[in-house]
Amino acid sequence: NAGVTQTPKFQVLKTGQSMTLQCAQDMNHNSMYWYRQDPGMGLRLIYYSASEGTTDKGEVPNGYNVSRLNKREFSLRLESAAPSQTSVYFCASSEVGESAQHFGDGTRLSIL
Amino acid sequence: TQLLEQSPQFLSIQEGENLTVYCNSSSVFSSLQWYRQEPGEGPVLLVTVVTGGEVKKLKRLTFQFGDARKDSSLHITAAQPGDTGLYLCAGFSGTYKYIFGTGTRLKVLA
Repeated sequence: NAGVTQTPKFQVLKTGQSMTLQCAQDMNHNSMYWYRQDPGMGLRLIYYSASEGTTDKGEVPNGYNVSRLNKREFSLRLESAAPSQTSVYFCASSEVGESAQHFGDGTRLSIL
Repeated sequence: TQLLEQSPQFLSIQEGENLTVYCNSSSVFSSLQWYRQEPGEGPVLLVTVVTGGEVKKLKRLTFQFGDARKDSSLHITAAQPGDTGLYLCAGFSGTYKYIFGTGTRLKVLA
């Protein structure tokens, strides 16, 4: 049972490069989320998708875009990477809004 | 902006000791979750508390939701090295959003 799968696990980018982080869940969950985790700051919500076809901004959306490709997949795109976006990125899914969130193992992203 | 403050930020204790981690906010949450995260992995849900004053037990872990639903605590009895990890609280703020606390990093020494 894979749960939430994130790719890639590690990535190093140069400032100004673009990339897309991929996330897929196999639990038939309606809601999906993208967070970033920085030391001493817990998890901060970047974007979320309450259901297929909808996306909304979270706490720190600037510099990011998302696509809810279908019910299973939710991608996060950095159009022009900046050093401030160096972080660990987590994707999560839940059955509905106020239910347990299931997390992937994260993508460790470094921007030089 | 809703904030969840956790204390202490770091905790290093000997095996067998008891400890309490606190999660405090000035905002009211309809529910609150506790997660544990190990290095290189995503957080894993431990418990959800919903009712003000609710107490839930999970083996040696006791979780309490404050009467006003603004704060919560996690108490571990007789800590073991397997309890080592980052503990995160998360309050549901509505509209599909959870607000995560700043985290408590626990190390239990054998």
